[in-house]
Amino acid sequence: SQTIHQWPATLVQPVGSPLSLECTVEGTSNPNLYWYRQAAGRGLQLLFYSVGIGQISSEVPQNLSASRPQDRQFILSSKKLLLSDSGFYLCAWSGRRNTEAFFGQGTRLTVV
Amino acid sequence: AQSVTQLGSHVSVSEGALVLLRCNYSSSVPPYLFWYVQYPNQGLQLLLKYTTGATLVKGINGFEAEFKKSETSFHLTKPSAHMSDAAEYFCAVSVPILTGGGNKLTFGTGTQLKVEL
Repeated sequence: SQTIHQWPATLVQPVGSPLSLECTVEGTSNPNLYWYRQAAGRGLQLLFYSVGIGQISSEVPQNLSASRPQDRQFILSSKKLLLSDSGFYLCAWSGRRNTEAFFGQGTRLTVV
Repeated sequence: AQSVTQLGSHVSVSEGALVLLRCNYSSSVPPYLFWYVQYPNQGLQLLLKYTTGATLVKGINGFEAEFKKSETSFHLTKPSAHMSDAAEYFCAVSVPILTGGGNKLTFGTGTQLKVEL
């Protein structure tokens, strides 16, 4: 069966520091991968998605970037965090034929 | 462009009462629709989905939803609420990715369900 791992679960970082959140998927190949951010009262905002290695699409302009160095690895990064980057970040995957997405457990990021 | 609107950011019901969470969608193509549930500080879990076929879909934990094209709605219901149903619920519509295949989901702003004794 397929599983998705996302870490760390919580993270407190100072303003201006770098960020790296990692997500890996097991039990499937060539998945679509997604990074969402969740802010209170605003639902889930799609930040990036990837349909293959090295292929990244950005949904909204922001201080963050994403990379997909391997088929089942998706990384969310920032060179310098802003206070507004605080939130709950969720990684997800879906198959080519499947329509639903499967989510990781999320990372609570607090920028102080 | 596809979008969803969830009416009511907070819904409170008594244990054993009917749960009704509302979702309306906008889509330029036949929609794929989903309901997800999220417990505090956790990821989202798929409750149910509508793609094609039967318009009444059943999901996990006794939930069901009915796709009504004429009303552009996909409301979530459960006949009898349980304390364990307290969570946040998200409606989503699927948008096809034109290059590479697959879909991406656009979510509503969520409805927090409270279940009282």
